[in-house]
Amino acid sequence: EIVMTQSPATLSVSPGERATLSCRASQSVSSNLAWYQQKPGQAPRLLIYGASTRATGIPARFSGSGSGTEFTLTISSLQSEDFAVYYCQQYNRGYTFGQGTKLEIK
Amino acid sequence: EVQLVESGGGLVQPGGSLRLSCAASGFTFSSYEMNWVRQAPGKGLEWVSYISSSGSTIYYADSVKGRFTISRDNAKNSLYLQMNSLRAEDTAVYYCARGRTSLGYWGQGTLVTVSS
Repeated sequence: EIVMTQSPATLSVSPGERATLSCRASQSVSSNLAWYQQKPGQAPRLLIYGASTRATGIPARFSGSGSGTEFTLTISSLQSEDFAVYYCQQYNRGYTFGQGTKLEIK
Repeated sequence: EVQLVESGGGLVQPGGSLRLSCAASGFTFSSYEMNWVRQAPGKGLEWVSYISSSGSTIYYADSVKGRFTISRDNAKNSLYLQMNSLRAEDTAVYYCARGRTSLGYWGQGTLVTVSS
């Protein structure tokens, strides 16, 4: 099983600043990686697929990068609605999620 | 508008069974692969099972293999998860989600609680 490890577990950032979230795979997943946002009491929402392609309706301040085993989700200028938990997911072999990064207001 | 609505959750005793349903609308259900993903209280996401658009290809997470059965009825635009031999660690919100790779649409989830 491919293990996905996200860091940090919690990230404190001020509104308007940049946030950088990391995701590492235990083996190469090529570009078969997605990012999701989840707010309390809600279902996850797809942000990024193919490591760097924004899903429909996702603002341009969200960007994804990386390939192989190292991936990054960057939110360029945090808005109040961006504070949430973020998960990465690989779909190169089966499906596995990272444990999540909680993005909180500093 | 794509809609996925889960139902069938509830409280069940350890060793018991439950059948979850997911009603799909707003898209051609028979053309899309579907999944079940669960989330234990306060925990992260765990993929549970996948079924191809025709139902001919099915995968399960090791944690549920042999106990859970995924199925679909394309005529009824519905996805199912039959859960048998339930354990306390199966307690979670269960989501149905559309997709073969990334999961672009999710339902609101249904809570399954396994407890005596």
